[in-house]
Amino acid sequence: ELKVEQNPLFLSMQEGKNYTIYCNYSTTSDRLYWYRQDPGKSLESLFVLLSNGAVKQEGRLMASLDTKARLSTLHITAAVHDLSATYFCAVNHNTDKLIFGTGTRLQVFP
Amino acid sequence: NAGVTQTPKFQVLKTGQSMTLQCAQDMNHEYMSWYRQDPGMGLRLIHYSVGAGITDQGEVPNGYNVSRSTTEDFPLRLLSAAPSQTSVYFCASRKGTWTENYEQYFGPGTRLTVT
Repeated sequence: ELKVEQNPLFLSMQEGKNYTIYCNYSTTSDRLYWYRQDPGKSLESLFVLLSNGAVKQEGRLMASLDTKARLSTLHITAAVHDLSATYFCAVNHNTDKLIFGTGTRLQVFP
Repeated sequence: NAGVTQTPKFQVLKTGQSMTLQCAQDMNHEYMSWYRQDPGMGLRLIHYSVGAGITDQGEVPNGYNVSRSTTEDFPLRLLSAAPSQTSVYFCASRKGTWTENYEQYFGPGTRLTVT
C-alpha cells in the first residue's frame, strides 16, 4: 500500500529565510505532484515531477524528485507572507489513484 | 470554461439521511475523482473514474456510491449519512490517464456536516 508522508506538518518561518519541505513515499513511483491550498479554498497545482532528478522552479519555490530515495523536496527561498498556505505532495503508483500526503502548513511572519 | 463545479457549497444532514453531491466539468476530461479532506489527514481518495461507465474504489470508499453516465458528470452519493462523513469533499478532473501527465483540476469543494 502506497503511503505518503510529509514533514514538517507545520512550519513557521520568518520572511526572508529559506526552508525545505520533505515528501517521502513508500513504493516506487516516477510521478509526483505538489499542490498549494489557501485556507477555505481549493487546491492549486504547483508542480508535476515526472522523472528521477527532475527539478522545477516557479518564483521562490523549487521542487525536486529523487525516485531512488523516494523523496521529493519543496524548497522555499527568501520566504514572503504570500507563500503562507498548506502545501501537499501527491504520488501515483502505476495506477490512476493519486495518494496525498498529510500536508505542511506554512506560516510566514515578518 | 467553468472548469470543475460542485454543488452544493454547504450542506447539513441528519444521521441516516441520503444525498448526492454533484460534480461537473466542461473540459471533456476523461478522469474524474472524489476526495474528502479532514483536518490533519490530507486528502483521501474516495472513488474515481477513468471514463463514462467506468468507476473504481479509492482509499475510503465505504458509505459512498458513484456512477459515471456521462463524461461531464460524476455525482457522489451518500447512502446513509453518518457523523464520520462530516468533511470537506473535493471533486477533481484530469485529461487522460495517469501516464499522460496532465494537470489535475480541483473543484471549489462541498462542506458537509452530519449531525
